[in-house]
Amino acid sequence: DAGVIQSPRHEVTEMGQEVTLRCKPISGHNSLFWYRQTMMRGLELLIYFNNNVPIDDSGMPEDRFSAKMPNASFSTLKIQPSEPRDSAVYFCASSLVRGAPGQETQYFGPGTRLLVL
Amino acid sequence: KNQVEQSPQSLIILEGKNCTLQCNYTVSPFSNLRWYKQDTGRGPVSLTIMTFSENTKSNGRYTATLDADTKQSSLHITASQLSDSASYICVVSLGSSNTGKLIFGQGTTLQVKP
Repeated sequence: DAGVIQSPRHEVTEMGQEVTLRCKPISGHNSLFWYRQTMMRGLELLIYFNNNVPIDDSGMPEDRFSAKMPNASFSTLKIQPSEPRDSAVYFCASSLVRGAPGQETQYFGPGTRLLVL
Repeated sequence: KNQVEQSPQSLIILEGKNCTLQCNYTVSPFSNLRWYKQDTGRGPVSLTIMTFSENTKSNGRYTATLDADTKQSSLHITASQLSDSASYICVVSLGSSNTGKLIFGQGTTLQVKP
């Protein structure tokens, strides 16, 4: 398996523009997570999907952020409009949850490095 | 407040030496504790996962310990190699969350020098 695939790997955009980050989870996994990592705040969970349904989006910073998972093999994280403080590395992770979540290993993608000017 | 604190923030050691990284947490209720290794420019990779009843778990030259009473964990690296240079992140899973929510530490940056 190729692991979790994210695109683009790097994105530079101007403030106010829309940014769309993409993720393809590991085939057969039923859970998908979007994280943001900055030097100041470390890793933060933004949103968690289970069987394509958003379960916990309490980490989404504000209405400018939205995430979708139209099917088991694809998810997007959209920022509209983007702001300089959104600059960070965004990671997607997937896992196979059997029973209660929290015991499984999450596999992370390589991340998308976003810079908003 | 659920928190995970790691020490030291950064560490430099010589190749071949051992080192120990510390993690203290105040997460409650506790489900499990994980250690991740994150190489520069890459996503975190899981090293170990320990539940409440496990005191120690090894993965090659990495050995993690857990004291659930004192809410402390350590990651011991034996005979360090240059490839061990990375950030090591301690992560605790909330037991009460239906998402298995993870609380992340800020990480310890390890540099192994030849």
